[in-house]
Amino acid sequence: QKEVEQNSGPLSVPEGAIASLNCTYSDRGSQSFFWYRQYSGKSPELIMSIYSNGDKEDGRFTAQLNKASQYVSLLIRDSQPSDSATYLCAPQGATNKLIFGTGTLLAVQP
Amino acid sequence: NAGVTQTPKFQVLKTGQSMTLQCAQDMNHNSMYWYRQDPGMGLRLIYYSASEGTTDKGEVPNGYNVSRLNKREFSLRLESAAPSQTSVYFCASSAGLADLETQYFGPGTRLLVL
Repeated sequence: QKEVEQNSGPLSVPEGAIASLNCTYSDRGSQSFFWYRQYSGKSPELIMSIYSNGDKEDGRFTAQLNKASQYVSLLIRDSQPSDSATYLCAPQGATNKLIFGTGTLLAVQP
Repeated sequence: NAGVTQTPKFQVLKTGQSMTLQCAQDMNHNSMYWYRQDPGMGLRLIYYSASEGTTDKGEVPNGYNVSRLNKREFSLRLESAAPSQTSVYFCASSAGLADLETQYFGPGTRLLVL
């Protein structure tokens, strides 16, 4: 079992829809979780971080965390073509280093 | 404020050649990292430096060496390049290794080993 599992996609959604990106992780010691966005040919940039169970909202983005189920998700409301990118889930492991998933490719169709 | 900078942007090497990838940050961060990114493999940690004067192996350290030259600079050296080291290399930095410390990434170095 991989440490961090993400559906590679592509996840295709129409403009204005909600995109739902999911991630499961195996390290029960993980306490902090990060979502990075990576455009093709570019470096990862932080979208959101979450520490507590439940939802955390920032503009059009909502991160959801369920530590009991070892599950973290990212919702993007009112998706725009500019949101088309690969989204990387990264739990912070017991040694406080990030473990990255392989990412989900999101394609927002105009 | 440039953030994290990396040089070179692109490099082509022949098998057996050596090279050093340079990374510098101007955010006064304590911790620095080197990752490689390969298709289908995600970002994998090669080495990291929790603070100036310390370095530790990550997930895939074989074939690489690092130097934390000072608080700003962290270099990655390939002593004898192999085709398996063809990849995109990212340097990152963070304030520290505590919970919720964000890592900031440089623009990357694209390396092709022939």
